Amino acid sequence: DIQMTQSPSSLSASVGDRVTITCRASQSIGRYLNWYQQKAGKAPKLLIYAASSLQSGVPSRFSGSESGTDFTLTISSLQPEDFATYYCQQSYNEWTFGQGTKVEIK
Amino acid sequence: EVQLVESGGGLVQPGGSLRLSCAASGFSVSSKYMSWVRQPPGKGLEWVSVIYSGGSTYYGDSVKGRFTISRDNSKNTLFLQMNSLRGEDTAVYYCARFQSGSSPFDYWGQGTLVTVSS
Repeated sequence: DIQMTQSPSSLSASVGDRVTITCRASQSIGRYLNWYQQKAGKAPKLLIYAASSLQSGVPSRFSGSESGTDFTLTISSLQPEDFATYYCQQSYNEWTFGQGTKVEIK
Repeated sequence: EVQLVESGGGLVQPGGSLRLSCAASGFSVSSKYMSWVRQPPGKGLEWVSVIYSGGSTYYGDSVKGRFTISRDNSKNTLFLQMNSLRGEDTAVYYCARFQSGSSPFDYWGQGTLVTVSS
């Protein structure tokens, strides 16, 4: 099974900050890595797919990158509506999620 | 507009059964890959099961042999039959749609809560 290790598990940041979340795969998954945002009591929402492609309707302050088995989600300037939990997901072999990163207000 | 609406959750005793439904609109469940994903209270997401457009089905190790995924094309609805339920099956269950095996899950339902407790 492919394991996805996400870090940090939580972070505190202020509006306007640049935020980076990392996800590491236990083996090569190519670019089959997706990022989701989940707000309390709501379903996950797709942000980034194929490591760096922005889902339609998602603000351009969200971006993704890949380096081998390490993947990064960056929010260039954190907005009030971005406080949420973020999950990575590999879709290379079945589907596995990272444990999540909760972004909280500092 | 694509919509997914889950129903069928509730309180069930350990060892019991429950069937979840996911009514789809805006597309045909038979033409897409459909999956169930669950989330225990306060915890992360876990993939549960998938049914491919061709009808093949697959399950996560934690539910294999106990859960069955199916669909009714005439009702455009996805199902999850859950048997031999355990406390660790307590979770919000989401249905989700995706285009192919390696695609992201692009649409999700709002979820239905299953609580397994005596």
